[in-house]
Amino acid sequence: AQTVTQSQPEMSVQEAETVTLSCTYDTSESNYYLFWYKQPPSRQMILVIRQEAYKQQNATENRFSVNFQKAAKSFSLKISDSQLGDTAMYFCAFSLGGPNSGGSNYKLTFGKGTLLTVNP
Amino acid sequence: NAGVTQTPKFQVLKTGQSMTLQCAQDMNHNSMYWYRQDPGMGLRLIYYSASEGTTDKGEVPNGYNVSRLNKREFSLRLESAAPSQTSVYFCASSEQGLAGVCEQYFGPGTRLTVT
Repeated sequence: AQTVTQSQPEMSVQEAETVTLSCTYDTSESNYYLFWYKQPPSRQMILVIRQEAYKQQNATENRFSVNFQKAAKSFSLKISDSQLGDTAMYFCAFSLGGPNSGGSNYKLTFGKGTLLTVNP
Repeated sequence: NAGVTQTPKFQVLKTGQSMTLQCAQDMNHNSMYWYRQDPGMGLRLIYYSASEGTTDKGEVPNGYNVSRLNKREFSLRLESAAPSQTSVYFCASSEQGLAGVCEQYFGPGTRLTVT
């Protein structure tokens, strides 16, 4: 079974600064995906960024980037130029699968979340 | 497109009552999922349906049943609600995209309280 660990229950950052959220995972599989989801106070789950395990290049989406260390099984999220709207719970998630894996039932295993507060 | 919709948004039940949470998606996805979210626990998978006509247990299935009514709809039923089932319930759907990436799209959630 796969596990996902987020060791920081809460973090805070000043507006316009950079913050990094940590995530580690455990799996014996070689093909998988990693995700960061954001849950603002509205409760809606929003996909922030994803990383394919077979890609060495770290994913980037505007102000959000990841540091994917496959050997260390680490997947951290960096938020640059933090904005008040980034205040949310952030969940790291893992799913099995990869190109040509077949099937479409990629179940997600979530970490317990990190509550990020951006202060003005 | 509405994406994934869930009804109701809020519900209060008494212990022993039953209810069904409804979920529908308009993205023509094959796979659908039910999660529950509890404080400090993240989201945990209750049941999932890989495709129309199939359902399987997830991590925490006890006390729940599901029905994949058709490709669009996936319902979650509590036959005899217990206070331990007080939670926020999320429905999600997914389809394998290019290069095998399979994002899940979530509904807005249902907050259920069992007294």
